[in-house]
Amino acid sequence: DAMVIQNPRYQVTQFGKPVTLSCSQTLNHNVMYWYQQKSSQAPKLLFHYYDKDFNNEADTPDNFQSRRPNTSFCFLDIRSPGLGDAAMYLCATSRALLVDTSNQPQHFGDGTRLSIL
Amino acid sequence: ELKVEQNPLFLSMQEGKNYTIYCNYSTTSDRLYWYRQDPGKSLESLFVLLSNGAVKQEGRLMASLDTKARLSTLHITAAVHDLSATYFCAVNRDDKIIFGKGTRLHILP
Repeated sequence: DAMVIQNPRYQVTQFGKPVTLSCSQTLNHNVMYWYQQKSSQAPKLLFHYYDKDFNNEADTPDNFQSRRPNTSFCFLDIRSPGLGDAAMYLCATSRALLVDTSNQPQHFGDGTRLSIL
Repeated sequence: ELKVEQNPLFLSMQEGKNYTIYCNYSTTSDRLYWYRQDPGKSLESLFVLLSNGAVKQEGRLMASLDTKARLSTLHITAAVHDLSATYFCAVNRDDKIIFGKGTRLHILP
């Protein structure tokens, strides 16, 4: 059974048109992460939530925002997508902050592939 | 700044052969992860290595960690075609995971 669910799997939007990607989890994990992965590159962390506390990476563009209305859901909002934002967006969860966990890995969703027209 | 380097980035090998992927990282960390990613798919956690000298094995894959050398290895024994994928190592720093660029492994039948 899927534990980290991302919707939609594929998203097409127009240049400059706001888009929202969704992630939900059934694991009741405290931490949720958003990564951007461009073709043939490593995943790049955008931000994460520890419960309601939001932590933004220093180099994440202002164009990217996130919301976590409850434990189960987390959203990635791209306010004005540019062509360079086309990528796979991966949501992940972990039970606690990684520095505090023992051998618990992150659990990744299947990703949303975003295309910009 | 924490940097994670994998070597090689591309690897094509015959079925039945053995090979090793290397992961070096630049600053102290006591936790290292290996992930597998199939084309167009998400990341699958393979191993979490916690301490110096840690060794974990799953099927034909074996991972080890040397924290003093800041080196982890992923060894593939008697490769089979199903192991074709991209393999990422990643290192934990504070509450973040920093990924290497990945090793694209292609196993020829």
